[in-house]
Amino acid sequence: KQEVTQIPAALSVPEGENLVLNCSFTDSAIYNLQWFRQDPGKGLTSLLLIQSSQREQTSGRLNASLDKSSGRSTLYIAASQPGDSATYLCAVRGNQGGKLIFGQGTELSVKP
Amino acid sequence: GAGVSQSPRYKVAKRGQDVALRCDPISGHVSLFWYQQALGQGPEFLTYFQNEAQLDKSGLPSDRFFAERPEGSVSTLKIQRTQQEDSAVYLCASSLAEGGTQYFGPGTRLTVL
Repeated sequence: KQEVTQIPAALSVPEGENLVLNCSFTDSAIYNLQWFRQDPGKGLTSLLLIQSSQREQTSGRLNASLDKSSGRSTLYIAASQPGDSATYLCAVRGNQGGKLIFGQGTELSVKP
Repeated sequence: GAGVSQSPRYKVAKRGQDVALRCDPISGHVSLFWYQQALGQGPEFLTYFQNEAQLDKSGLPSDRFFAERPEGSVSTLKIQRTQQEDSAVYLCASSLAEGGTQYFGPGTRLTVL
């Protein structure tokens, strides 16, 4: 059974710092991995999707990497801003069906 | 509409009542998913539709939970005889195809008293 773990559960950093969020999964037979952002009381916003054949994806200040064989992904946020404060979730999709298996999320707080 | 919409946004039910939660996916999206998110946790899969066909309902926690998508667009998640442990945010997502990016609605927060 696929299990997804995110470390740390919470992170507080001063504005301007570069930071890394970690995601690990137990079954390397994945179709893709997706990083989401969730603001309080809101739904999920997709940030980056990495196919299993890819090593990384970039969007603006965000860079996500995928090491499928070791079951790990990282989300790198450059030059963090207070507006980046939110909960970040990673989710993997297996090779059968479309359902996503989520981690518990990392709650990020960026202090001005 | 431009995105996935859900209604109601908030629902308070007395224990034992039946509730119905609605999801309007992005127009043209074939796949539709329901997830349950408890406070402080990541979403957990409930069920999945491709058009009107329910292809996976392995995540439904009990037979009190029922979902339908009769015409392949709008979907309804029904919970019968609600219990306190059903209190959660129920998220709906749609994607253009099975393996594509899933776009989430704002969720319905259900509180069972």
